[in-house]
Amino acid sequence: RKEVEQDPGPFNVPEGATVAFNCTYSNSASQSFFWYRQDCRKEPKLLMSVYSSGNEDGRFTAQLNRASQYISLLIRDSKLSDSATYLCVVNIANPFNNNDMRFGAGTRLTVKP
Amino acid sequence: DGGITQSPKYLFRKEGQNVTLSCEQNLNHDAMYWYRQDPGQGLRLIYYSQIVNDFQKGDIAEGYSVSREKKESFPLTVTSAQKNPTAFYLCASRKTSSLYEQYFGPGTRLTVT
Repeated sequence: RKEVEQDPGPFNVPEGATVAFNCTYSNSASQSFFWYRQDCRKEPKLLMSVYSSGNEDGRFTAQLNRASQYISLLIRDSKLSDSATYLCVVNIANPFNNNDMRFGAGTRLTVKP
Repeated sequence: DGGITQSPKYLFRKEGQNVTLSCEQNLNHDAMYWYRQDPGQGLRLIYYSQIVNDFQKGDIAEGYSVSREKKESFPLTVTSAQKNPTAFYLCASRKTSSLYEQYFGPGTRLTVT
């Protein structure tokens, strides 16, 4: 089983739609969680951190469910510019080892007019 | 502006040649990382460094080498021993605490023929 799993998609949605991505992780010791956005042939950029209480940034909402070991990203009122690949990243905090970030393979989103 | 720079953006080499990819950061981050990304796949860790003059192998270190002589710089050499070097190479950095997110450079796309 992969440490971080995402539905690869692609998700093809019309402008204005609401779309949700899920990501599951296997290590219960995971302590911090992030969503990154990666445009085609570009570097990943941090979209938002995911907090235990859930957090919202404009049209984007991230949720964490520790009991079921998954995080989610909800995008409301999709824009054409939201088209990208969304990477789920899980961080297993270890004071002795900085090699602890695990990346999902990404979920591809295409928003169409 | 603080950030991570990678050069060159595109690099072409003949098989059998070593090539060095540059990565520089002025974020005052202690930890630096090199990842490889192949089409449709997630990021795979090649090497990472937590402090100057120290570095550790990641999941796919064979055929690669690194150095960390300065805090700001973490160059990656792709040697002729790397069987399939054509890929998108991403450098990242972050603060020492493992709870923080990583920041990525713009990447170098290496093509070996």
